Amino acid sequence: DVVMTQSPLSLPVTLGQPASISCRSGQSLVYSDGNTYLNWFQQRPGLSPRRLIYKVSNRDSGVPDRFSGSGSGTDFTLKISRVEAEDVGVYYCMQGTHWPYTFGQGTKLEIK
Amino acid sequence: EVQLVDSGGGLVQPGGSLRLSCAASGFTFSNYGMDWVRQAPGKGLEWVSYISYSGSVTYYTDSVKGRFTISRDNAQNSLYLQMNSLRDEDTAVYYCARGNGSYSRDGVDYWGQGTPVTVSS
Repeated sequence: DVVMTQSPLSLPVTLGQPASISCRSGQSLVYSDGNTYLNWFQQRPGLSPRRLIYKVSNRDSGVPDRFSGSGSGTDFTLKISRVEAEDVGVYYCMQGTHWPYTFGQGTKLEIK
Repeated sequence: EVQLVDSGGGLVQPGGSLRLSCAASGFTFSNYGMDWVRQAPGKGLEWVSYISYSGSVTYYTDSVKGRFTISRDNAQNSLYLQMNSLRDEDTAVYYCARGNGSYSRDGVDYWGQGTPVTVSS
């Protein structure tokens, strides 16, 4: 299985400050069709997860533009330009290139 | 509005069986691949199984292969997960989710509320 490694695992951030989460895969996530299937999810406390970003950098409908994704190959990043209180939760990267699809361990974002 | 309502979870003894259901509404169910994702208590997310829009293609993570069966009834807009030979490590909240992209490679864009499964004697 493709191992997805996130860092940091805990991310205390001051309101209004930027935040960045790294995700590294054990293998390249470039699929034979040329796409890179790296997705990001947010799970707020007590709720079901929600997808934020798909195929590295495509934001889902309704996701604020302060969220952005970037990267290629095996190294990816989720950035929040200015953290708001509603961003508290756990963030997961997920690869959809190799079955079984796998998630990172999760990064817990909290307000400092 | 897209809705996925999970049900069927509960307490079961090791070696027992359980059948999870997911009722879908608000979209053309037969056009989408569907997935089950689980989350053990206090842990991260784990992809369990995928089924194509027609039901002709299914995938399972290795730890459930041969024990779990995913199926769907497009006439009833329903997704199922038959879980047999349950183990302690299957204890988790199970989420039904709508796949996005070919074979759900773009992940899932809608999730059910989750149904808890506890395997314990």
